[in-house]
Amino acid sequence: AQSVAQPEDQVNVAEGNPLTVKCTYSVSGNPYLFWYVQYPNRGLQFLLKYITGDNLVKGSYGFEAEFNKSQTSFHLKKPSALVSDSALYFCAVRDMGNNQGGKLIFGQGTELSVKP
Amino acid sequence: DAGVTQSPTHLIKTRGQHVTLRCSPISGHKSVSWYQQVLGQGPQFIFQYYEKEERGRGNFPDRFSARQFPNYSSELNVNALLLGDSALYLCASSLKGSNEKLFFGSGTQLSVL
Repeated sequence: AQSVAQPEDQVNVAEGNPLTVKCTYSVSGNPYLFWYVQYPNRGLQFLLKYITGDNLVKGSYGFEAEFNKSQTSFHLKKPSALVSDSALYFCAVRDMGNNQGGKLIFGQGTELSVKP
Repeated sequence: DAGVTQSPTHLIKTRGQHVTLRCSPISGHKSVSWYQQVLGQGPQFIFQYYEKEERGRGNFPDRFSARQFPNYSSELNVNALLLGDSALYLCASSLKGSNEKLFFGSGTQLSVL
């Protein structure tokens, strides 16, 4: 069965410092991986996805993610954090099982807090 | 263009009642998915519809049902509500619903008392 894990419930970063939000996955076959962000009282917003190709994926708002097949990881990164990046971040993988359509399996989420 | 719209934004029900949640996708999007997000957890897949047909179903009881209309809007119905059904219900739309990005609405916050 496909799954994703986000090992950190919370990540604290000072503004201007680089940030990393970790995600590991478990899939059979090639993974289709996504990152979404959720601001308070809002739905999720798409940041980026990996389907195939370059292991470094660039996304919205200056975020990028590195796909590492040997470590089964898809960590989200940003070179310089902003206070406005504070939000809940979700890693997700496409479920490739039968009768699952475009189903995404989400991790538990990581709360990112960026302090001035 | 308007994004994904959901109604109502908040809803309070009592155990045993039923509820209908509504979703209008982005214009031109033919796929609608429903997710349940319990506080402190990631969203859990409930249903996906594409071109008015069910394309995926999550691990939810038969009390949960959905449909998609000719204009691609969708309804999620939950019968015989339980306290555990209290959650944020998210609707997401996409052009085709395969490996594309999903556009989420702000959700309906359902409280079951």
